[in-house]
Amino acid sequence: GAVVSQHPSRVICKSGTSVKIECRSLDFQATTMFWYRQFPKKSLMLMATSNEGSKATYEQGVEKDKFLINHASLTLSTLTVTSAHPEDSSFYICSASREREAAYEQYFGPGTRLTVT
Amino acid sequence: AQSVTQLGSHVSVSEGALVLLRCNYSSSVPPYLFWYVQYPNQGLQLLLKYTTGATLVKGINGFEAEFKKSETSFHLTKPSAHMSDAAEYFCAASWTSGSRLTFGEGTQLTVNP
Repeated sequence: GAVVSQHPSRVICKSGTSVKIECRSLDFQATTMFWYRQFPKKSLMLMATSNEGSKATYEQGVEKDKFLINHASLTLSTLTVTSAHPEDSSFYICSASREREAAYEQYFGPGTRLTVT
Repeated sequence: AQSVTQLGSHVSVSEGALVLLRCNYSSSVPPYLFWYVQYPNQGLQLLLKYTTGATLVKGINGFEAEFKKSETSFHLTKPSAHMSDAAEYFCAASWTSGSRLTFGEGTQLTVNP
């Protein structure tokens, strides 16, 4: 149990366009979902935390108008990169924590490789 | 500030040798602690975690880690490295409710034949 999927796994888009990445918890209800960005050979950088039905909490330095996060249900969160530019190219990973789980564990998706040309 | 430090961004071992990946946290309050593994272009897979109870934790793929409060450490070990263990390893800690994780910088493990 506790499987998280992401779609798409890879996406290439042109500069100035927007791209949406989906994160789904397949077999559990996720009260909280997290979005991370990972640069090559680097650790994960938390971008935002989202709870179902409420606005996401963004980390300092992350533009909320550029990285739109929606957590419409207990199994789905989306990250939309608006007006993408080449510097937005990165590996984006989502994770989810299970409802009422006490062990503070996050379950990670397989990641989405975004390339902006 | 609470942080996680992984000593050694690259560790290289021979196949069959002991694997030791170091992780320390900085806080007077012990956190929940996790080790994750990441293979190229993939997400993170949980190897093991420490929450409460026994300080020696066994995980998947023969890995284990020991929580030492006095040393604020949670080092990851495996008695005998396998080629398939080559990957990036991340130590992470959680001090707050809501599962927010603080990650170390990661350690790239190379296993030589």
